[in-house]
Amino acid sequence: RKEVEQDPGPFNVPEGATVAFNCTYSNSASQSFFWYRQDCRKEPKLLMSVYSSGNEDGRFTAQLNRASQYISLLIRDSKLSDSATYLCVVNTMNTGNQFYFGTGTSLTVIP
Amino acid sequence: GAGVSQTPSNKVTEKGKYVELRCDPISGHTALYWYRQSLGQGPEFLIYFQGTGAADDSGLPNDRFFAVRPEGSVSTLKIQRTERGDSAVYLCASSLGLLNEQFFGPGTRLTVL
Repeated sequence: RKEVEQDPGPFNVPEGATVAFNCTYSNSASQSFFWYRQDCRKEPKLLMSVYSSGNEDGRFTAQLNRASQYISLLIRDSKLSDSATYLCVVNTMNTGNQFYFGTGTSLTVIP
Repeated sequence: GAGVSQTPSNKVTEKGKYVELRCDPISGHTALYWYRQSLGQGPEFLIYFQGTGAADDSGLPNDRFFAVRPEGSVSTLKIQRTERGDSAVYLCASSLGLLNEQFFGPGTRLTVL
């Protein structure tokens, strides 16, 4: 079983739409959670960390559900520039300091 | 300021050859990570350095892969007897410390013919 699982998509949404991605993780001891964004043929860049109480950064909202072992990312009022792959990342330190990336969810925002 | 840099940006080699991939982290970052990313997949953890020592090398796929960071800054990923399945983008990331944001380099695209 993979450490982190994401629906690869693709998600094709019109500008202005709201879109949500989910990600599940297998290790209940995981401690830190992140969403990274990766543009085509570019390196991943941190979008936001995910905190237990949920957190918001502008149009982006991240939530963590430890009981069900999933994290989510909500994007409101989608912009063309939001088109990218969104990677869910989970950190587990009980067996080292490994960061596990999901396969990524592809988003295309259509004019 | 300067970000993470990786050289070469592209490397084409023949099966069985030896390659070295270099990573220059952001100055002052003590943590350094190597990942491998294949098409359509997320980055796969290979090894993590805290300072000069490999704190976690459990992601290295086999003993053909080795990485060093002798002075706690620049790191080199070494692959012996390359195989076609080693073809991927090798990403390096650095961070100030554990659990801090990781900053990625542009990657080295390795192609093994």
